[in-house]
Amino acid sequence: GAGVSQSPRYKVAKRGQDVALRCDPISGHVSLFWYQQALGQGPEFLTYFQNEAQLDKSGLPSDRFFAERPEGSVSTLKIQRTQQEDSAVYLCASRAMGGTNTEAFFGQGTRLTVV
Amino acid sequence: SQQGEEDPQALSIQEGENATMNCSYKTSINNLQWYRQNSGRGLVHLILIRSNEREKHSGRLRVTLDTSKKSSSLLITASRAADTASYFCATDRSGSEKLVFGKGTKLTVNP
Repeated sequence: GAGVSQSPRYKVAKRGQDVALRCDPISGHVSLFWYQQALGQGPEFLTYFQNEAQLDKSGLPSDRFFAERPEGSVSTLKIQRTQQEDSAVYLCASRAMGGTNTEAFFGQGTRLTVV
Repeated sequence: SQQGEEDPQALSIQEGENATMNCSYKTSINNLQWYRQNSGRGLVHLILIRSNEREKHSGRLRVTLDTSKKSSSLLITASRAADTASYFCATDRSGSEKLVFGKGTKLTVNP
């Protein structure tokens, strides 16, 4: 596709429910990133893939958060047993091969509200 | 945790005026990038300045980088109402491919 696509755009979950957020990166982009953005704050890094390998997951806030990219393209961020503090916008970004000194392309984000 | 710190946190100006936003960071970087975010939307890349560059221009944007002070500034000249958005700096740190964002400056340009 022309850009990074995320779905759904909006998700309302009841506390304790599991959710799955999808990211389709730009075709051919090797690197894929997930960020969490709370209202009025900057994006906080969650995790990063190079192809199918998850190279850094240091930003995942708890073991309820899990991300995968099994075929090196589409990625899914899963949050188990959602809590109210998980309410945020989840942003996905991709970068081309040789990612440093290149820009990141962001999707529109998924706004998750846990009630 | 966020590395970049932008100031001011909020800036309100009149159309036609210039807007200057600053960013400070803490570690060695490969480059520093500025992004823009309209309310409820994704981030859009504006400009990238490498660690060995001191100044860069793109249209009405001018970015400076001072690695000795670990700081950068973004200048938007002749601002327009459509420039109203939040602006974030992001650092590409040495040895890591992830971008680390600051908290952003919310710019309002009044018509």
